[in-house]
Amino acid sequence: AQKITQTQPGMFVQEKEAVTLDCTYDTSDPSYGLFWYKQPSSGEMIFLIYQGSYDQQNATEGRYSLNFQKARKSANLVISASQLGDSAMYFCAMREAGGYFGNEKLTFGTGTRLTIIP
Amino acid sequence: EPEVTQTPSHQVTQMGQEVILRCVPISNHLYFYWYRQILGQKVEFLVSFYNNEISEKSEIFDDQFSVERPDGSNFTLKIRSTKLEDSAMYFCASSNRGTGGQPQHFGDGTRLSIL
Repeated sequence: AQKITQTQPGMFVQEKEAVTLDCTYDTSDPSYGLFWYKQPSSGEMIFLIYQGSYDQQNATEGRYSLNFQKARKSANLVISASQLGDSAMYFCAMREAGGYFGNEKLTFGTGTRLTIIP
Repeated sequence: EPEVTQTPSHQVTQMGQEVILRCVPISNHLYFYWYRQILGQKVEFLVSFYNNEISEKSEIFDDQFSVERPDGSNFTLKIRSTKLEDSAMYFCASSNRGTGGQPQHFGDGTRLSIL
């Protein structure tokens, strides 16, 4: 089974509207973290937001928020008031607790290409 | 804000040649990673490195690959004898802690093209 599933290969959203990008995950590890990264057409990977498995509240960072539903194993990214500059690939990634302290690799989903329409 | 820097931004190499991709992680970071992204596909983990040794490697990271931290600042990925399927974007990442919410900070990547 895929550890990270992003079911929306592409989305088109009108500028200024809110958008939700879906991410579901699969792990048996009680300690894990979920990350969202943005990859513009220029190719770099930009960290957006993090949610830990033990965090009581949903993470927020400016216009980004994470809708974390632990029982459903979903960690959807919500972008409020979308802007043209939000057009990019968005990747959900998971860190599972390593075999020893430190050095936990990230497992990425296949990404969602978001296009903001003026 | 400090950032991870990677050189070169684009490398074109003949099949069978050795290639070295270079990375300068953020200065106070202790954990280092290489990932690759084949065009149009997801990002895949290659190797993680801590305390001057590999802590984990993926199935992709076979004997043709090696990593090194030759001095206090550089972190390199070497591919000994490149194959066509090694063509990809290679990302270096670093973090200052291995656990918790510390994100891995990525460089801008090196696009490797094997001819």
